[in-house]
Amino acid sequence: AQRVTQPEKLLSVFKGAPVELKCNYSYSGSPELFWYVQYSRQRLQLLLRHISRESIKGFTADLNKGETSFHLKKPFAQEEDSAMYYCALSGPGGNKLVFGAGTILRVKS
Amino acid sequence: DSGVTQTPKHLITATGQRVTLRCSPRSGDLSVYWYQQSLDQGLQFLIQYYNGEERAKGNILERFSAQQFPDLHSELNLSSLELGDSALYFCASSLPPSEAHFGSGTRLTVV
Repeated sequence: AQRVTQPEKLLSVFKGAPVELKCNYSYSGSPELFWYVQYSRQRLQLLLRHISRESIKGFTADLNKGETSFHLKKPFAQEEDSAMYYCALSGPGGNKLVFGAGTILRVKS
Repeated sequence: DSGVTQTPKHLITATGQRVTLRCSPRSGDLSVYWYQQSLDQGLQFLIQYYNGEERAKGNILERFSAQQFPDLHSELNLSSLELGDSALYFCASSLPPSEAHFGSGTRLTVV
């Protein structure tokens, strides 16, 4: 079954602290993994995809096939990072893009 | 602006009614995805179309149906509406293997 699990509903950190948003997945095959961000229930925006291996807004994510994880990390949180973060998975060719339940990141000053 | 257009932005209707939500994908995108986002259910995958054909199905109720037309725009039809169908409905489009881009959503309120 194709499934994405984000175990934390809410993650609250202080400004300048490191952030790690957890994502585990279940998929038989070679999935494509993504992180999307949503500010105030607006449009979802792509943050990262594992294929590109780039850093956006200081965020990085590494695909760990052994642990079936794709955790999102940032060394120093900023207040403007406060948002809902969704981990997503699709099959090859973008088939059936499914999302985890999301994690609210709250960065306190 | 993602290039994905959803109309209408807001919709208020009564229980038992039927509504149609429309999505115009980004130029060149062949895949369209529909999602329902409610407060207690998160972002639920409903259905995906690729170049006019149904590609994948998620937790879509039998009262809901969708289609993708030859010009690649898509419509999501919701019938016999219930209070619990109140939610944000998002459409996304992609040209595989590129990532999906989302529209701003349609906020449906059933009263």
